[in-house]
Amino acid sequence: GENVEQHPSTLSVQEGDSAVIKCTYSDSASNYFPWYKQELGKRPQLIIDIRSNVGEKKDQRIAVTLNKTAKHFSLHITETQPEDSAVYFCAAGDFNKFYFGSGTKLNVKP
Amino acid sequence: DSGVTQTPKHLITATGQRVTLRCSPRSGDLSVYWYQQSLDQGLQFLIQYYNGEERAKGNILERFSAQQFPDLHSELNLSSLELGDSALYFCASSVAKGSNYGYTFGSGTRLTVV
Repeated sequence: GENVEQHPSTLSVQEGDSAVIKCTYSDSASNYFPWYKQELGKRPQLIIDIRSNVGEKKDQRIAVTLNKTAKHFSLHITETQPEDSAVYFCAAGDFNKFYFGSGTKLNVKP
Repeated sequence: DSGVTQTPKHLITATGQRVTLRCSPRSGDLSVYWYQQSLDQGLQFLIQYYNGEERAKGNILERFSAQQFPDLHSELNLSSLELGDSALYFCASSVAKGSNYGYTFGSGTRLTVV
């Protein structure tokens, strides 16, 4: 099965700085890579996703890059704000199922 | 409101007991997924149903079972409960057809086994 590794497990940045979270996956058949944000005690919410035929996708302050050859993908958040503080999960998979990384706790200090 | 409804929101039960968690997917979604999230842990995929049939299985214990009914709601049955089964159980649904692969999660059921 798919094995998704996510780093770092915790990340602390100053407000306005950028944050980068990296994930690797093992199954070359994976073709869909979503990112979820989970605030404390709440449900995970999709913030951005990328498919295997695309190398980069951007949505306002959030961008995701994918390197299929190296089997890694990254989340970039620019101009971080305190409300970005949450746990972020990457995932890799296909139509049938996703496997999630272990999560990154992002703390944005005002 | 995400459109995915999970009941109950909280459940406290004793070891050895059996509980049923319920999930109603978003209108139009055919796939239902179950995930377990233990304290400070990631999301462990348990099982997926698509239009009533089991489609994929993850790290689901033999004490756990699930099904999806003709009206597409799903139930996750947990039996012979142990303290370690205490967790947040999330259900997610997706259209699972066309180009939209995104999941929508419900708000979860927090299970506490005492």
